[in-house]
Amino acid sequence: DAGVTQSPTHLIKTRGQQVTLRCSPKSGHDTVSWYQQALGQGPQFIFQYYEEEERQRGNFPDRFSGHQFPNYSSELNVNALLLGDSALYLCASSLQQAGGYGYTFGSGTRLTVV
Amino acid sequence: QKEVEQDPGPLSVPEGAIVSLNCTYSNSAFQYFMWYRQYSRKGPELLMYTYSSGNKEDGRFTAQVDKSSKYISLFIRDSQPSDSATYLCATHASGGSYIPTFGRGTSLIVHP
Repeated sequence: DAGVTQSPTHLIKTRGQQVTLRCSPKSGHDTVSWYQQALGQGPQFIFQYYEEEERQRGNFPDRFSGHQFPNYSSELNVNALLLGDSALYLCASSLQQAGGYGYTFGSGTRLTVV
Repeated sequence: QKEVEQDPGPLSVPEGAIVSLNCTYSNSAFQYFMWYRQYSRKGPELLMYTYSSGNKEDGRFTAQVDKSSKYISLFIRDSQPSDSATYLCATHASGGSYIPTFGRGTSLIVHP
């Protein structure tokens, strides 16, 4: 049973560019949450998607946007990249109404902005 | 003040030691408490979760929550080198938002 799949694994971008990260949820899950994890820090919630809509959003600027597709997969887009956007981006899938105890995380995408 | 505070360590112990990992939180509405383990270059994986106060045991792991002092603990008995990882505590309220808030994680090193 495939867990959460994220692509690409690593990415290097230049300041000002745009990036798209992808996530395929665990089979049977319908909700996708995105987190940013800076080096030495805990994951910070970006937003959550359910039924192709953004349901909740953390304290991140509008440069961060997302999308969920009918097959429950999701994309995270970041525009006008800043050096501070360098981090591990984690996708977690779950069932709606499941708390953190129901999250399954992917291995993340390591984004480096130079 | 962050909602969830956790000492980053590193905590270095010999194999076989009992390990105590701790977090404090500030929001009294938090009811669900989780411990995740994160190996290097991997995503977090759920180790244990508890609801409200009390203890929960699973093999070598025991999770403890004291809501009166807003204190969360994870104990690891007979620690093994394979337990070397970063341990993240997380918590959220019941009802409404189930988005977990994470601590920064404690790095644990178990040396043979």
